[in-house]
Amino acid sequence: RKEVEQDPGPFNVPEGATVAFNCTYSNSASQSFFWYRQDCRKEPKLLMSVYSSGNEDGRFTAQLNRASQYISLLIRDSKLSDSATYLCVVNVDGANNLFFGTGTRLTVIP
Amino acid sequence: DTAVSQTPKYLVTQMGNDKSIKCEQNLGHDTMYWYKQDSKKFLKIMFSYNNKELIINETVPNRFSPKSPDKAHLNLHINSLELGDSAVYFCASSQFSNYGYTFGSGTRLTVV
Repeated sequence: RKEVEQDPGPFNVPEGATVAFNCTYSNSASQSFFWYRQDCRKEPKLLMSVYSSGNEDGRFTAQLNRASQYISLLIRDSKLSDSATYLCVVNVDGANNLFFGTGTRLTVIP
Repeated sequence: DTAVSQTPKYLVTQMGNDKSIKCEQNLGHDTMYWYKQDSKKFLKIMFSYNNKELIINETVPNRFSPKSPDKAHLNLHINSLELGDSAVYFCASSQFSNYGYTFGSGTRLTVV
């Protein structure tokens, strides 16, 4: 079983739509959680950390559900520039080792 | 002012050759990593060094040998390259993993 699993998509949504991605992780001892964004042929970049109480950064909201072992990312008022692959990332064992999901591809359509 | 820089950006080479990829970070981070992203876009850790010491060595063929001359540099040497080694290799650094990583721009390796 993979450490981190997420729906690969693709998600094709119109501009202005709200879209949500979920990701599940297998190790209940996981400690740190992140969403990264990766544009085509570019490196992954940290979008936001995910805190237990949930957190928001502008149009982006991240939630953590430890009981069900999933994290989510909500994007409101989608922009064309949001088109990218969104990677769910989990620190599983407390060491300096992050496990990446395979990514969810989002395309925002004019 | 690039935080994590790796060279070369592109590398095309024949099977059986030996090649190196260099990585440097100017963030003052203690830990550096090599990740491999295959054709299916899956990012998998290969190695991790903390203050020049190897702390993670995933199941990677011993043709791959990392070297960290100091905590700002982590190079990757690959011997006897095979077709299956074709991928994008990302270097990254972090101070603490719960702060996330900063990635280099990647080296696209193509073995022909």
